[in-house]
Amino acid sequence: EMQLVESGGGLVQSGGSLRLSCAASGFTFNSYWMHWVRQVPGKGLVWVSRINKDGSTTNYADSVKGRVTISRDNAKNTMYLQMNSLRAEDTAVYYCTRDEVIGSGSLGHWGQGTLVTVSS
Amino acid sequence: QSALTQPASVSGSPGQSITISCTGTSSDIGTYNYVSWYQQHPGKVPKLMIYEVYNRPSGVSNRFSGSKSGNTASLTISGLQAEDEADYYCSSYTHSSTNTVVFGGGTKLTVL
Repeated sequence: EMQLVESGGGLVQSGGSLRLSCAASGFTFNSYWMHWVRQVPGKGLVWVSRINKDGSTTNYADSVKGRVTISRDNAKNTMYLQMNSLRAEDTAVYYCTRDEVIGSGSLGHWGQGTLVTVSS
Repeated sequence: QSALTQPASVSGSPGQSITISCTGTSSDIGTYNYVSWYQQHPGKVPKLMIYEVYNRPSGVSNRFSGSKSGNTASLTISGLQAEDEADYYCSSYTHSSTNTVVFGGGTKLTVL
């Protein structure tokens, strides 16, 4: 069964750092583009970042560019999101998602999410 | 403010059909056929319902259909059922700025 399991969320002070992880199983991880999407509880979905199959191409939302780095380790079937200089507005549930169509944003599988809370 | 514009809410009675619109620009919906729709029930993870404008993933009911005209995409749900009550989000690939995917603000569907 295909699974995406996020970890690494938690409470951090403004200006601090966190590294989120997404462990993938049940599919050929290195065959898919992957994305991070976040959602403030009770609010809408916001795209954060994407990475291609071998990690050579990355893209970021304007709101996190320069503060966040997406990466992947295909040998470990794991994707990461390094988040630095965190702000209160980064508080959200962060979802790891699999793109079904070559990085286009057709997000067919989602993890359960990990909550990041940034205190000011 | 979301890049794609959706109505905040729509409603319909069981058995009826409803349509949710999603308006973008020539930088996203107007140029690319990479429009997706997601259903999210309270406390649950979003579920892909439509991708590439009108394609349904395996297991999604054929009561759900997608279309696009110009800069506006639409999700139609026919034969409304109580279980369809949820939040619905559209998204599109985009070449504006550095973002590559944009979401709509979401639409709350109420089944009366």
